Amino acid sequence: GAVVSQHPSWVICKSGTSVKIECRSLDFQATTMFWYRQFPKQSLMLMATSNEGSKATYEQGVEKDKFLINHASLTLSTLTVTSAHPEDSSFYICSASPASASTDTQYFGPGTRLTVL
Amino acid sequence: GNSVTQMEGPVTLSEEAFLTINCTYTATGYPSLFWYVQYPGEGLQLLLKATKADDKGSNKGFEATYRKETTSFHLEKGSVQVSDSAVYFCALKGNSGNTPLVFGKGTRLSVIA
Repeated sequence: GAVVSQHPSWVICKSGTSVKIECRSLDFQATTMFWYRQFPKQSLMLMATSNEGSKATYEQGVEKDKFLINHASLTLSTLTVTSAHPEDSSFYICSASPASASTDTQYFGPGTRLTVL
Repeated sequence: GNSVTQMEGPVTLSEEAFLTINCTYTATGYPSLFWYVQYPGEGLQLLLKATKADDKGSNKGFEATYRKETTSFHLEKGSVQVSDSAVYFCALKGNSGNTPLVFGKGTRLSVIA
């Protein structure tokens, strides 16, 4: 149980286009989802915390107008990278906390590799 | 704020060698502590966790003890295998509400036969 999926697993796009990444909790309801990005050989950096039905909370230095997050249901959160540029190329990972579990439980998706040409 | 410091890699060991990956943390209150593992091409998986001082988390032969006096959560395994080759992340989570995980930079482990 407790599976989190991401779609797509990888995407290549042209500079200036927008890309949407989906994060789904497949067998549980997630009141909170987190979005991270991971640069090669580096750690995960939290970008934003997404609560179902409310606006996301962004970490300092993360542009909320560039990284649009929507958490419209208890099983789905989306991250849209708007007007993507090569420096946005990275590995984007989501995690989800079950509504019914203790607050220290997070399940991670497999990640989405974004390459902007 | 909360932070995690773990030893830099890469770490290369021969099969059946003893493994230690050091992790220390800075946090207010009593955080929960975690080790996550990321195998090549896969997402993060929870390896083990401890939620209070002196707790020992263990899984798949790995173990780590929550030491509040030294603010440490070192990962150990008595005999590593080639299949343990991965990146290991130490992380903490504050105990107030649904706060996010704070990760260390990760330590890449390579085990050779």
